[in-house]
This record gives sequence, C-alpha cells and structure tokens, in this order.
Amino acid sequence: EAGVAQSPRYKIIEKRQSVAFWCNPISGHATLYWYQQILGQGPKLLIQFQNNGVVDDSQLPKDRFSAERLKGVDSTLKIQPAKLEDSAVYLCASSLARDREDYGYTFGSGTSLTVV
Amino acid sequence: AQKITQTQPGMFVQEKEAVTLDCTYDTSDQSYGLFWYKQPSSGEMIFLIYQGSYDEQNATEGRYSLNFQKARKSANLVISASQLGDSAMYFCAMREGTGNQGGKLIFGQGTELSVKP
Repeated sequence: EAGVAQSPRYKIIEKRQSVAFWCNPISGHATLYWYQQILGQGPKLLIQFQNNGVVDDSQLPKDRFSAERLKGVDSTLKIQPAKLEDSAVYLCASSLARDREDYGYTFGSGTSLTVV
Repeated sequence: AQKITQTQPGMFVQEKEAVTLDCTYDTSDQSYGLFWYKQPSSGEMIFLIYQGSYDEQNATEGRYSLNFQKARKSANLVISASQLGDSAMYFCAMREGTGNQGGKLIFGQGTELSVKP
C-alpha cells in the first residue's frame, strides 16, 4: 500500500511569512495527526482529525496555526505568521484506530521548516 | 497526564553486541499501548515493536524485543546483535485514548544510539 505522502519536503521562509504543508494519508485511514518535532525532542501532537472532524487541538497555537481536512482525506496545516521558534519538522501520520490493536500508525517523511 | 520518560540521551554499543534502551511511562489508564520507533537521520519514523498493556508475553520482532514490566511501568527496548545501520534516534511512545476515534501517541525525548564498528 502507498504510504503517507507529505509535501514539500523542505521549506525555508522568513519570519512573519506564511507557509502551508500538505498531507495525504493512507487510503481508508480515518484518523489523521499532525505532529511538530523540534530538533532534539520527541514529536508533539498539534492536531488530530477523525474523518473531517477535530478530535484534539489542545496543543495547536491557534493564533497562528490552522489545519483543515475538508473531505476527510487529505489535510493542510498552515502557519501565519511564522516565528523563529516554529522551525521544526512537521510530521503527518494516519491510523486505522480499529481492527488492529496497534492501530497501524504510519508516518510520512515530514516537512522540515526553517524560519529565518 | 500520561508521560513517557527516556533517561538516556545517548548510548554507544559495539557492533554485534546487545543494547537496552530504557523507557518508563506514567498513566492511570488500564488499557494502553506502548511503541518503539526508530528515526534515522533521514527523518522518517519507522515502527519497530508494539506491546499492549494486557499482553502477558513480551513482544518480539526479529532482533527487537520489548522488556515489559507492568508493575514498574517500564518498557525497555532490547536490540540484539547490533548493526551499523541501527545507529539512529529511538523513541518510546504510548497511545493515549482508545476506541474508534483513535488515540494520539505521546513520545519520550528519545535516545540517540551509535553503533561502533
């Protein structure tokens, strides 16, 4: 099966600019996650979708970050305006959430964002 | 709140030897899942092994085994016969939440493993 697709792979922007990341999960995976991984740390969840509804966005900085999954398939994460501390790898993951005890989490290759 | 702790920022191991990466967790849930992931320098998160909280036997996957001690809330990863390609960051994670809405993964800080030839 095809994996989780993310684009772009790398992005460099100046602070106060905006940027958007795209994720296409594995077909049939109802749950989609966006994680932020700052260099030297473990990934931290930003937002979790179930189909096109938000399950958890408690750690999403809503004054500058937004995300959508309009048709319950692919998703876009946006940052506007970007700050230096947003420099990180943004990982998208999807899961089955049922039928398998381990939920079948699969991660994309990530988008590496550098804010200068 | 659920928490994962990895106390070893970096570890070295000689090629062909075994190594144990430590992980402790904190949760009040009765049902939970524990995971180990490998993240090479290329950045992708590679699933290694899974242990369910009700599994009585330790999980094994090839050269990877999970030493699950429920009473001590520890889930250490054992890699046998280390290879140079095992050099990477290793993350322990716990699934928070259950049911059809899925559950987010809570990650530890990671351990950087270096395998020496």
